[in-house]
Amino acid sequence: QVQLVQSGAEVKKPGSSVKVSCKSSGDTFRTYTISWIRRAPGQGLEWMGSLIALHGITKYAQNLQDRMTIIADLSTTTAYMELSSLRSEDTAIYYCAVGGTYFDHWGQGTLVTVSS
Amino acid sequence: EIVLTQSPATLSLSPGEGATLSCRASQSVGSDLAWYQLKPGQAPRLLIYDASNRATGIPARVSGSGSGTNFTLTISSLEPEDFAVYYCQQRNNWLTFGGGTKVEIK
Repeated sequence: QVQLVQSGAEVKKPGSSVKVSCKSSGDTFRTYTISWIRRAPGQGLEWMGSLIALHGITKYAQNLQDRMTIIADLSTTTAYMELSSLRSEDTAIYYCAVGGTYFDHWGQGTLVTVSS
Repeated sequence: EIVLTQSPATLSLSPGEGATLSCRASQSVGSDLAWYQLKPGQAPRLLIYDASNRATGIPARVSGSGSGTNFTLTISSLEPEDFAVYYCQQRNNWLTFGGGTKVEIK
């Protein structure tokens, strides 16, 4: 059973960056595609980007590709999502998930609040 | 971008009643559609993929149907754990989600 455990809540200033981690318990982490999806208050879900862990190949949503980076550390079976130049609209719950097109397993979510 | 429109926004029902949730796509997505369940403080859960296939561990009371632009998630008899928010998602052209339907206790 795949379990994804995410890092804790963050409060950030506008213009700063945030880095959220997602640790997998699975020993097949290198075979995963890890995706990041967010849910802003009162909004629906938004796919942000995906990473093929073994190859390091990434794909990002067009509106985020200039501010977002996804990486994976195979030795610690942990994926990271970094979002820069934060603005208030980035306030959301951020989820990691396994899968590149459908998302089979999800983390518990990390609340990121952007506020001055 | 393919826009998914879910209806209704909120469904107020009692345990034991049936629920029918709709997801309409702005253009055809074939059968490339999934449904997810979200509960506060919990990891979201994949329910249905490819429009009508139940994911592992999903009970038979949950079913999906449709193709092209019109899709339905049906829960035949609501259990207490079914009260949640449900999202549809397409993978035919990039990846987009609907706005969600909240199933609340009446």
